[in-house]
Amino acid sequence: DIQMTQSPASLSASLGETVTIECRASEDIYNGLAWYQQKPGKSPQLLIYNANSLHTGVPSRFSGSGSGTQYSLKINSLQSEDVASYFCQQYYDYPDTFGAGTKLELK
Amino acid sequence: EIQLQESGPGLVKPSQSLSLTCSVTGYTITSGYDWSWIRKFPGNKMEWMGYISYSGSTNYNPSLKSRISITRDTSKNQFFLQLNSVTTEDTATYYCARYQLGAYYFDYWGQGVMVTVSS
Repeated sequence: DIQMTQSPASLSASLGETVTIECRASEDIYNGLAWYQQKPGKSPQLLIYNANSLHTGVPSRFSGSGSGTQYSLKINSLQSEDVASYFCQQYYDYPDTFGAGTKLELK
Repeated sequence: EIQLQESGPGLVKPSQSLSLTCSVTGYTITSGYDWSWIRKFPGNKMEWMGYISYSGSTNYNPSLKSRISITRDTSKNQFFLQLNSVTTEDTATYYCARYQLGAYYFDYWGQGVMVTVSS
């Protein structure tokens, strides 16, 4: 199985700041990567698919980039409603595997 | 609006079977898409468990293949997870989700149900 290493595990940032979360795959996943946001007690929400495509309805301050084994999620101009956990999923190779998540808090 | 809701016992004894239901509203599960189960362990590791397609075919994570079964009741627009011979290592929050066809990311998820395996 492809291993997904996500970093950092936790992150504290100020309102208006730009935040970057990374996922590294153990082998090339050819942009088969999605990012999700999950708030406590809520269902995960799809943010990004195919590494850099913004899901319908997701604010444009979220963006995804990367290729090969290295991918990142960037949040521009952090808002209070962005406080959540974020995790990645690779779906290029069977079975799908996930990163361990990043907990984003306000400083 | 498409919604998924998991339900089932929160406590299961070791060696017994874990059975969960995912009720889907806002979309008919036979109309398209694949319907998955995913779990999140304490410590946040996540595992894709398997799916049932809109046509009723199934695909399971090889790590679970001998213990897992995913079925459905189309009249109730529900699909089910059965995991046999559970141990304490199956303690997790279980999610159902809709798989995007051909791309295999999840565009709708349930809120999750926590299941503890303990005697």
